[in-house]
Amino acid sequence: QSVLTQPPSVSGAPGQRVTISCTGSSSNIGPGYDVHWYQQFPGTAPKLLLYGNSIRPSGVPDRFSGSKSGTSASLAITGLQAEDEADYYCQSYDSSLSASVFGGGTKLTVL
Amino acid sequence: EVQLLESGGGLVQPGGSLRLSCVASGFTFSSYAMSWVRQAPGKGLEWVSGIRGSDDSTYYADSVKGRFTISRDNSKNTLYLQMKSLRAEDTALYYCAKPRGDGYNFGAFHVWGQGTMVTVSS
Repeated sequence: QSVLTQPPSVSGAPGQRVTISCTGSSSNIGPGYDVHWYQQFPGTAPKLLLYGNSIRPSGVPDRFSGSKSGTSASLAITGLQAEDEADYYCQSYDSSLSASVFGGGTKLTVL
Repeated sequence: EVQLLESGGGLVQPGGSLRLSCVASGFTFSSYAMSWVRQAPGKGLEWVSGIRGSDDSTYYADSVKGRFTISRDNSKNTLYLQMKSLRAEDTALYYCAKPRGDGYNFGAFHVWGQGTMVTVSS
C-alpha cells in the first residue's frame, strides 16, 4: 500500500487530454511538500517529467503539466500521443516517515 | 556528462548480505544528497534510503530500517548500500539516483543509473 495513491491505469485516444491524480495526506503533499512526476518505459530507468509540482525540466514538452491543491496533485497530458504510453509515478516527502515516498504508479494506455 | 553506474547485485540466499556500489561522475558528488530507489519485478518504484551531502545524515524506508546501511565515500565519488538479513521481498532492481538540487535532497531525481539486480532466493 503506497503512501501516495494513484489510479492503476488511465487511457485516452490520440489527441485527447488525460489526467493522473496523486492523493496524499497531511504529512506529505498537504503541508506543502512538493510533488515530482516521473515517466518510465519498460526496461528503462525512470525519467524526471515534472518537479516542484509543475516545473518541466529542459526537453520535456509543454503537453505535460502539473498542479497541486491541498493533499492532492495531478499530472495532465494534452494532445496525447502514442509515445506517451508509459508508467507514471508521483513522488513527495513524508514528514511522519522522514522519508521520500512514491505513488504506486499509473499505466497510461493510448488507445 | 553526469553519470551513475551501479554494481554489486546478484543472487543471494535469504538471510544473506550484499553490498551495492554506485560510482558517480560529471558532477561534484560531495555537494549532493544521494538515494537508492528499488523496483521489484513488475512493481512500482520504492525509495529505499538517502544520505545528505552536507552532513552524511542518513534516512531509510521502514521496510529496510535496521537491515540496510547507506554510506558514501566522497574521495571515490561512490555511494554504497550495505544490505543484511535479506528477504525474498528485497528482490528488485536497485537504482542509484541524484536529485536536481534546488533544495530537493531526496526528490526530483534527474539522473538515474541503469540499476543493479538483486535476487534473494534459495
